[in-house]
Amino acid sequence: GAGVSQTPSNKVTEKGKYVELRCDPISGHTALYWYRQSLGQGPEFLIYFQGTGAADDSGLPNDRFFAVRPEGSVSTLKIQRTERGDSAVYLCASSLGTPRGTQYFGPGTRLLVL
Amino acid sequence: DQQVKQNSPSLSVQEGRISILNCDYTNSMFDYFLWYKKYPAEGPTFLISISSIKDKNEDGRFTVFLNKSAKHLSLHIVPSQPGDSAVYFCAAITEIQGAQKLVFGQGTRLTINP
Repeated sequence: GAGVSQTPSNKVTEKGKYVELRCDPISGHTALYWYRQSLGQGPEFLIYFQGTGAADDSGLPNDRFFAVRPEGSVSTLKIQRTERGDSAVYLCASSLGTPRGTQYFGPGTRLLVL
Repeated sequence: DQQVKQNSPSLSVQEGRISILNCDYTNSMFDYFLWYKKYPAEGPTFLISISSIKDKNEDGRFTVFLNKSAKHLSLHIVPSQPGDSAVYFCAAITEIQGAQKLVFGQGTRLTINP
């Protein structure tokens, strides 16, 4: 079956611009996660949705970052007033939502802020 | 504060030999540990996991060992194959926050030489 898909695969933007990154989870997965991976580091948790609601957004670095999942499926990560330090690979994962349920990752969106 | 640490950024092993990847953690609340494997331009893929109530879990060529008193786990791959060349991430979950948030180490790049 189809895995987690993310679009775009690459995004180049200028400092100060607004970007949206999209994630399509595996069908039937109720839990969705966003992580950010900087060069040479492991993925860092940003936010976790159970259904439509954000169950844990403790990893969002500041109020420029916002994510939605209005219908409990597709999610969009929104970054306002981008900064060069936002450059990273943004990974989305989904799972069945059970505790310790395996998280399946998408290929990521590589964001470069010039 | 890096709660999950992989102190070896890279490891090179001869094909057919054993690969041992190490991981240390500081948070005693972690109760479930996972290893993910990542190829370039792809998202991490789940490899193997272990609960804190066990000290060993085996799946084919992959075995994970957990030493709770030392807060240390290791992944053994034997025999190593060229297709095992990838970046390996250790990750941990805590029961707090519904056991959903993965905390990753920095990763170890494994190269299997023919």
